[in-house]
Amino acid sequence: GAVVSQHPSRVICKSGTSVKIECRSLDFQATTMFWYRQFPKQSLMLMATSNEGSKATYEQGVEKDKFLINHASLTLSTLTVTSAHPEDSSFYICSARHPVGLAGGSSYNEQFFGPGTRLTVL
Amino acid sequence: DAKTTQPPSMDCAEGRAANLPCNHSTISGNEYVYWYRQIHSQGPQYIIHGLKNNETNEMASLIITEDRKSSTLILPHATLRDTAVYYCIVRVNTNAGKSTFGDGTTLTVKP
Repeated sequence: GAVVSQHPSRVICKSGTSVKIECRSLDFQATTMFWYRQFPKQSLMLMATSNEGSKATYEQGVEKDKFLINHASLTLSTLTVTSAHPEDSSFYICSARHPVGLAGGSSYNEQFFGPGTRLTVL
Repeated sequence: DAKTTQPPSMDCAEGRAANLPCNHSTISGNEYVYWYRQIHSQGPQYIIHGLKNNETNEMASLIITEDRKSSTLILPHATLRDTAVYYCIVRVNTNAGKSTFGDGTTLTVKP
């Protein structure tokens, strides 16, 4: 299947600092990427939809000024957690939508997920 | 996107078939059923998807009822490595579609 990577896999930072997480589609171009957050023992919560060349669309309740998303190329989206606080500690997961799917024929728009980034804010 | 309902947990004996149900009674005609799984501390892994016909791939089979209000993911010969949280998602297969995760089913495969 298609490969999506995230960097870093794990980051520890001090309260008040900003942290950037990268999401890359390694073998396909993704016009749309998604950012999720997952707290322990909970499901994934969609934070925002990242569209190449345009502003991200944030889900209700997600602060766009705190979680800055940039999708500057067809293979890279970044999430910056600004002025991080301990309550921002979470598992952040990105996914990229494959434009035509892997099975060929009709467009499947399959989503492929990155391995996640564990953020710990002290 | 339509909401899905899954049992919170299931056990399965190693080597036996694991049948994971999902209810999606409000599914729309243009929404597909997708299954993903998440092994602890990893990103979700795509398993299979379908619209109305049953589907099979190297990982699993997907059985969708005729009225499309429910589906079952079948792992034919479960192994210990299949222990994970399994998510059933329904969404349109267009640029407007986005995956909204419910609570999923925690499948535990036991020796």
